[in-house]
Amino acid sequence: TQLLEQSPQFLSIQEGENLTVYCNSSSVFSSLQWYRQEPGEGPVLLVTVVTGGEVKKLKRLTFQFGDARKDSSLHITAAQPGDTGLYLCAGREGNQFYFGTGTSLTVIP
Amino acid sequence: DVKVTQSSRYLVKRTGEKVFLECVQDMDHENMFWYRQDPGLGLRLIYFSYDVKMKEKGDIPEGYSVSREKKERFSLILESASTNQTSMYLCASSLWSGNYGYTFGSGTRLTVV
Repeated sequence: TQLLEQSPQFLSIQEGENLTVYCNSSSVFSSLQWYRQEPGEGPVLLVTVVTGGEVKKLKRLTFQFGDARKDSSLHITAAQPGDTGLYLCAGREGNQFYFGTGTSLTVIP
Repeated sequence: DVKVTQSSRYLVKRTGEKVFLECVQDMDHENMFWYRQDPGLGLRLIYFSYDVKMKEKGDIPEGYSVSREKKERFSLILESASTNQTSMYLCASSLWSGNYGYTFGSGTRLTVV
């Protein structure tokens, strides 16, 4: 089992603030994905990053894969209440993805 | 709209009962997975399947079994439910290869009393 640690575990911020969440591992992954899970629902894929150093943007969300492909970050600009949810990273090893424990984000209006 | 459908959103079962959790996907995906999700522990893989009638143990298979008789359907079976199996159960599917993501169902929140 590959271990992916996410930090912080919980984050509560005001609407309009910026934030960054982290996903770290000692393992090298061929790709890494980020999901968002809303209460009572299953996780939904946001992005896949494949190349070391790769940066992808999805509106106000910026995802970066570490150069060594062991870590990743998710930066949200001007957070909105609709960004509230559990953010999960998942690293690919072989034909399987291993999930982190998640960062629970609450954006207060 | 493609989807993964889990048969129940909420279930309450008694200790010792045999419990069936059903999952159906309409995307013709080869891979299917069962996870349980508990606070502070993240998603833990119970079983997965890469093909019909094929199954592989994940990280926490004890107390569970699975069945995949058809490509679109993957069932999780709790042989004799126990209170420590109270959890959110998530089914997911994916294509065989590439970096396609998992498509998850909405989950089944199981309570064993």
